[in-house]
Amino acid sequence: SQQGEEDPQALSIQEGENATMNCSYKTSINNLQWYRQNSGRGLVHLILIRSNEREKHSGRLRVTLDTSKKSSSLLITASRAADTASYFCATSGTYKYIFGTGTRLKVLA
Amino acid sequence: GAGVSQSPRYKVAKRGQDVALRCDPISGHVSLFWYQQALGQGPEFLTYFQNEAQLDKSGLPSDRFFAERPEGSVSTLKIQRTQQEDSAVYLCASSLGTNNSPLHFGNGTRLTVT
Repeated sequence: SQQGEEDPQALSIQEGENATMNCSYKTSINNLQWYRQNSGRGLVHLILIRSNEREKHSGRLRVTLDTSKKSSSLLITASRAADTASYFCATSGTYKYIFGTGTRLKVLA
Repeated sequence: GAGVSQSPRYKVAKRGQDVALRCDPISGHVSLFWYQQALGQGPEFLTYFQNEAQLDKSGLPSDRFFAERPEGSVSTLKIQRTQQEDSAVYLCASSLGTNNSPLHFGNGTRLTVT
């Protein structure tokens, strides 16, 4: 069973706009990671945020974590057509990484 | 260096056949995971290896599923007597195994059982 759920399930935006997707999870975590998956490919790691961190930036990515609400958000700024993909959050307690249901992002040129 | 390699890329099996899916992790990666991904869903955990030891197989759907990593490197996921519900993409991932180390995924094997 999935640990978390992403919201929205699907998102369609124009190139240059920002995209925000949210992840909720159920149990306590050690860290939370975001991954991207292009169609027909494996997942690619984007960014990791530890349980004692509240916000992290990497290039056009901004991740927040609220452990009291058991939720995280991923913001992609100035989106590009190449950002079109599915995005998954993954939570880790010990060794196991549990993935959410994913947000399918479509960026229109 | 090469990434995680999975073979075959696609596999079509008739119901009842046995299949074997191979994963070559990144050299030196201690941890290896198998995930099953249904269409439009997130990856579902199947099993976890630390070196050659299978520490968690709680996600394997039935006793028809078997995984091994005998020398702590290459891993094989075997499915016996395949059923239509086994149709999915099977993803392998490896990591250094240290705290907070990210997963590196292969491109998966798409299994179709007819």
